[in-house]
Amino acid sequence: DIQMTQSPYSLSAAVGDRVTITCRSSQTISNYLNWYQQKPGQAPKVLIYGISTLQSGVPSRFSGSGSGTDFTLTISSLQPEDVATYFCQQNSGAPPYTFGQGTKLEIK
Amino acid sequence: EMQLVESGGGLVQPGGSLRLSCAASGFTFSSHWMGWVRQAPRKGLEWVGSIRQDGGDIQYVDSVKGRFTISRDNAKNSLYLQMNSLRDEDTAVYYCARVQVAAANVWWFDPWGQGALVTVSS
Repeated sequence: DIQMTQSPYSLSAAVGDRVTITCRSSQTISNYLNWYQQKPGQAPKVLIYGISTLQSGVPSRFSGSGSGTDFTLTISSLQPEDVATYFCQQNSGAPPYTFGQGTKLEIK
Repeated sequence: EMQLVESGGGLVQPGGSLRLSCAASGFTFSSHWMGWVRQAPRKGLEWVGSIRQDGGDIQYVDSVKGRFTISRDNAKNSLYLQMNSLRDEDTAVYYCARVQVAAANVWWFDPWGQGALVTVSS
């Protein structure tokens, strides 16, 4: 199975800060990498799919990048409504389609 | 508006059974793979399984194989998760989600239901 490792586990940043969350896969996963946002008490929702394609309706301050085994989710200017836990997910090839353990983002 | 609504969660004893349902609306249900994802209390997300549009291809995570069964009824726009031989570690919120596909087999889950809590405890 492909393991997904996110870092950091938790993060505190100020409004307006640039925030970066990383995700590393245990094997090369091509472009089969998605990012989800889960706000407290809510279901997850997709932010980015295929490494870097922004889901319709998602603010442009969110972006994704990376290749091979190393991937990044960036928030260019943190807003209060971005408080959430962020998960990466790989769906390369055969199942299981694993998620990272999550990164909890808070406002400083 | 696309919507997924889960039902059927609850408290069940270890070794017991439970069936979750997911009612879909606002999109052509029969045109999409569908999936189940669970989240144990204060834990991360775990893909449970997925089912093809016609039900002819079903995939499961190893930890539920032989105990859980995913099915669908396209005439009723509904997805199901039959859970047997439940264990303490199956306690989680179970989400159903639609699979959305782009070019080159890139896919993701969107939207997700609000989740159904399953508690396995004596």
